[in-house]
Amino acid sequence: SQQGEEDPQALSIQEGENATMNCSYKTSINNLQWYRQNSGRGLVHLILIRSNEREKHSGRLRVTLDTSKKSSSLLITASRAADTASYFCATAQSNTDKLIFGTGTRLQVFP
Amino acid sequence: NAGVTQTPKFQVLKTGQSMTLQCAQDMNHNSMYWYRQDPGMGLRLIYYSASEGTTDKGEVPNGYNVSRLNKREFSLRLESAAPSQTSVYFCASSEVAGLETQYFGPGTRLLVL
Repeated sequence: SQQGEEDPQALSIQEGENATMNCSYKTSINNLQWYRQNSGRGLVHLILIRSNEREKHSGRLRVTLDTSKKSSSLLITASRAADTASYFCATAQSNTDKLIFGTGTRLQVFP
Repeated sequence: NAGVTQTPKFQVLKTGQSMTLQCAQDMNHNSMYWYRQDPGMGLRLIYYSASEGTTDKGEVPNGYNVSRLNKREFSLRLESAAPSQTSVYFCASSEVAGLETQYFGPGTRLLVL
């Protein structure tokens, strides 16, 4: 079964708006990662946040992690049409050497 | 650097046929993975190789076999393809198993009739 569940499943916004996606997971983790997938392509790593970190920034991306609630959020600020893609969270579970991926959020940014 | 490469890009098989999906990475990574992605679902791990010479089952290993040929190459074999194996297959690699960023190939689209 999948560890991460993203919310919402789909999100449509206008260029310039912010997009927020959430991820919940079930077991203790070493880190949580966010990936982007453009239609028909492989996944591309965006950002990794470790279990002892609460917030991380990379360009227009802001990720938060709340281990007490077993949840994370990805914020994309000032979105662009090129941000249109599916976004997946993936958790590196403690005591395993696997990543478990969620089902993804499909983001559509309209020009 | 090409990163992670996969062949073929597309394949159509008839039920019962066999095939091997090839994956190679040029980043000197220790760990390699095979995932499948079905519509509306995330990636599900089929098999992985934490280091050269080792392979382990993932979430959905039934109907598949793997070979870690060397540090660079990790192949996925379907011995007797079934329609349920119609999917997009992704290979990935990482420097260290599980903990670090994974780098993905472009995928292989497989249709089993």
